[in-house]
Amino acid sequence: DAGVIQSPRHEVTEMGQEVTLRCKLISGHNSLFWYRQTMMRGLELLIYFNNNVPIDDSGMPEDRFSAKMPNASFSTLKIQPSEPRDSAVYFCASSRGVDGTEAFFGQGTRLTVV
Amino acid sequence: AQSVTQLDSQVPVFEEAPVELRCNYSSSVSVYLFWYVQYPNQGLQLLLKYLSGSTLVKGINGFEAEFNKSQTSFHLRKPSVHISDTAEYFCAVTLSSASKIIFGSGTRLSIRP
Repeated sequence: DAGVIQSPRHEVTEMGQEVTLRCKLISGHNSLFWYRQTMMRGLELLIYFNNNVPIDDSGMPEDRFSAKMPNASFSTLKIQPSEPRDSAVYFCASSRGVDGTEAFFGQGTRLTVV
Repeated sequence: AQSVTQLDSQVPVFEEAPVELRCNYSSSVSVYLFWYVQYPNQGLQLLLKYLSGSTLVKGINGFEAEFNKSQTSFHLRKPSVHISDTAEYFCAVTLSSASKIIFGSGTRLSIRP
C-alpha cells in the first residue's frame, strides 16, 4: 500500500483565497484524523471521522475551516477565506479503527498564507 | 478526559550515550499508549505501542518504553543513541478505536557528535 497520500505537499496562497487540502486514506482504514502542526501550538487535532461520520470537530479553529469525507477513502480540509495565521503543516492520518491500532500519517501539506 | 504531558521540550545528548524521554498521561480509564517519531519535513511514524501484557515494549531502531500504571508514565529509552536518531518524539494516548488520539507536545532530541 502507498500509505496515506496528501496533496499538495506545499501550498502558497494569498490571504482571502480558498484553500483545499486533500487526503487519501489507506485502503481498509475507517478512521480519519486531520492535525495541524505549528511551532507555537505543536500538534493539534482538528477533526476526526469514523466510518465517514465526523465524531469530534471541537478542534476546528472557526467556521472558516470545514472537512468532509465524500467517500470512505478520501477527505478534504477546506479553509475559506484563508488568513496568514493559518500557515502551518497540516497532517492527515488514518487507522483501522480497531482497538489499539495506530494512526498512519501522510507526509503533510505545508501551507503558507501571505 | 485523557491528556499527555511531555515535560522536556528538548533533550541534547552525546552520540552513543543513553537517553530517556519522559511521558506522563492522565486518564480515569485504561488507555493505549504510543510513541511516534517525526524526522525533519516528514510525517509521524510509529516507534512502539503498549496495549496490554508485558509492561516493557520494544520498538524499532532500538527504542523501548516501559508502562508504569502506578506512576501513569510511559517513558521512552534507548541505551545508545546515534546521529540518525535526531528527530522529534511524540507520546500519544487513545482510549478506544473510535476515540481521538491525543498527542503530547513533543520532545526534540538532538544528538551531539
